[in-house]
Amino acid sequence: SQQGEEDPQALSIQEGENATMNCSYKTSINNLQWYRQNSGRGLVHLILIRSNEREKHSGRLRVTLDTSKKSSSLLITASRAADTASYFCATDPNAGGTSYGKLTFGQGTILTVHP
Amino acid sequence: DSGVTQTPKHLITATGQRVTLRCSPRSGDLSVYWYQQSLDQGLQFLIQYYNGEERAKGNILERFSAQQFPDLHSELNLSSLELGDSALYFCASSVGLGTGGRNNEQFFGPGTRLTVL
Repeated sequence: SQQGEEDPQALSIQEGENATMNCSYKTSINNLQWYRQNSGRGLVHLILIRSNEREKHSGRLRVTLDTSKKSSSLLITASRAADTASYFCATDPNAGGTSYGKLTFGQGTILTVHP
Repeated sequence: DSGVTQTPKHLITATGQRVTLRCSPRSGDLSVYWYQQSLDQGLQFLIQYYNGEERAKGNILERFSAQQFPDLHSELNLSSLELGDSALYFCASSVGLGTGGRNNEQFFGPGTRLTVL
């Protein structure tokens, strides 16, 4: 079963607007990662946030993590048509302090950015 | 380009057949992971190898098996194929296990699209 639940399932915006995607998960984690997937292609790692971090930035990406609510959000600012893709959150579960990288992915958010 | 390579890109076969998917991790990465992506199940973790040894198992069917060789490349073997096995199969690699509080950023290959007819 999928641990991560993304919301919304689909998001359609205009170029220049910001896009926010949310992810909720169920168990404790070592870290949470966001990936992008262009249609039918491989996943591209975007950003990793550790369980003891609350916010992280990378270029136009901003990720927040609230471990008390077991949720994360990905904000893409000033979106571009090239940002059109599916975005997945993936949790790296904390099994007694050990992580084997058994990532659990959400169902993803399909982002469409119109030029 | 993540540095992870997978072959073949596409595979079309019939039910009951057996196929082998191959993955070469990034240079220096010791861990290899296999994932299956299908429309109904989404992205699911199958199995992980670290430096030649199996380390973690996910929702991998008994008809599926994998191994990691001394040169660290990995193969995923799928046998007695069924229509429902049609999916994208991804391989990912990372430097280590992510133990001791270290992080485990994974780099994904382009995938092998398997179609079972």
